[in-house]
Order: sequence, then C-alpha cells, then structure tokens
Amino acid sequence: DSGVTQTPKHLITATGQRVTLRCSPRSGDLSVYWYQQSLDQGLQFLIQYYNGEERAKGNILERFSAQQFPDLHSELNLSSLELGDSALYFCASGPKTGLFTEAFFGQGTRLTVV
Amino acid sequence: GNSVTQMEGPVTLSEEAFLTINCTYTATGYPSLFWYVQYPGEGLQLLLKATKADDKGSNKGFEATYRKETTSFHLEKGSVQVSDSAVYFCALSKAAGNKLTFGGGTRVLVKP
Repeated sequence: DSGVTQTPKHLITATGQRVTLRCSPRSGDLSVYWYQQSLDQGLQFLIQYYNGEERAKGNILERFSAQQFPDLHSELNLSSLELGDSALYFCASGPKTGLFTEAFFGQGTRLTVV
Repeated sequence: GNSVTQMEGPVTLSEEAFLTINCTYTATGYPSLFWYVQYPGEGLQLLLKATKADDKGSNKGFEATYRKETTSFHLEKGSVQVSDSAVYFCALSKAAGNKLTFGGGTRVLVKP
C-alpha cells in the first residue's frame, strides 16, 4: 500500500460528459502529480501541484483542469469527454524535501468513455 | 527536453533466466534515475533508484547502475521468477520536487 488513495477505481461515462477524479496523497506529502496512461501514449505527465499551487504543467488538454485543496487532496476534472480520453489516470504524491523526487503512486482510476 | 527510451517489449523469458531491460536517457545535468514496476491491475511501485553517476540501485534481486558516460540505466536480474511478470518503467527526474519523465514501459512475461 503506497498510502495514496484514488477514487473511484472505475468510471464509465458517455461522450460529452464531465467527471471528477479524486486523490488523497500520503500523509505529509505536499506534491501531487497527475499522469495519464493510455495504450498509445504511454505514461504522460499532466500536471503537478505543490501545497495548493500549480507547479508544473505537462500535456494536459484545455478540457482538463485540476486543483489541490487546503487539506492537500487533489481533484482532476475532465470535461467534454471524448472516446480518446479513455485511459488509466494515476495520481502520485511526493515528499516536500529531499535530494530527489520519489513519487508514490495510487492504484489509478480507469476511465472508460462510451 | 528530457526523455527516456527503453527497449520495447514484450520480453518473454523462462523462469530462472537472466533479464536485462535497456534504458537510456536524454537530459542536461545530473538527473535522478528510477525503475518503477507495474503489476497487473495495480499502480506503479518504485523498484530502485540512483541519484548520481556510478550509483547502483538494487532491490528484490534487481540492479541498475547509473552510467553517465553512456547515459544509461539498464535493469538486470540474474534469475527471474513468474512473479516478476509485470511492466517495467524507466524514469528520470531533474530535481527534487520535479515531475518524473517515463519511458514507454517494457512488458516482461516469465513462463514457468
């Protein structure tokens, strides 16, 4: 158990809809990272938050947004969903200090858009 | 930009065979290097890491050495088990608190 909790584990929704994925980081971790894993794109970094502030942005679509709340949990909002958004979405958290990044991953949310 | 390239799979082996998964990276400076493993239906788990040149990371019989001169971090295990069947990801991070950049993953299947 990594200590990172993601909900829900599975989500099936229709095209055009909006969903929210939730992530609770490990106790004490201030950084939250979101990744998308699809068969054709591999593991793609979407966005990072650190202590409530956006810190880095990757290949995140404009239809997607995220935030980190004062209690450090994070939500990833996906809107106007398309079939191609079907993927496994991972959240990871990392410590606030250290010489390097060591990210701990949740089990992911599998999103299926039909 | 930073990138990681690893050998494509799937790699199919018999139990007790020797496993090597090649990983090379492109990055300026001195990134930290990682191997993550994803077992079926699960999230990614950190397998091992190395933070400077010539460091060797090791865990569960797996090893990888940070080679600055060849910008490589190849994963090896001397005798694989069926339970090692998984997808293995090589990754790098440029600095503390920075995002991880992953390779494409290598699926390994170990047959009894």
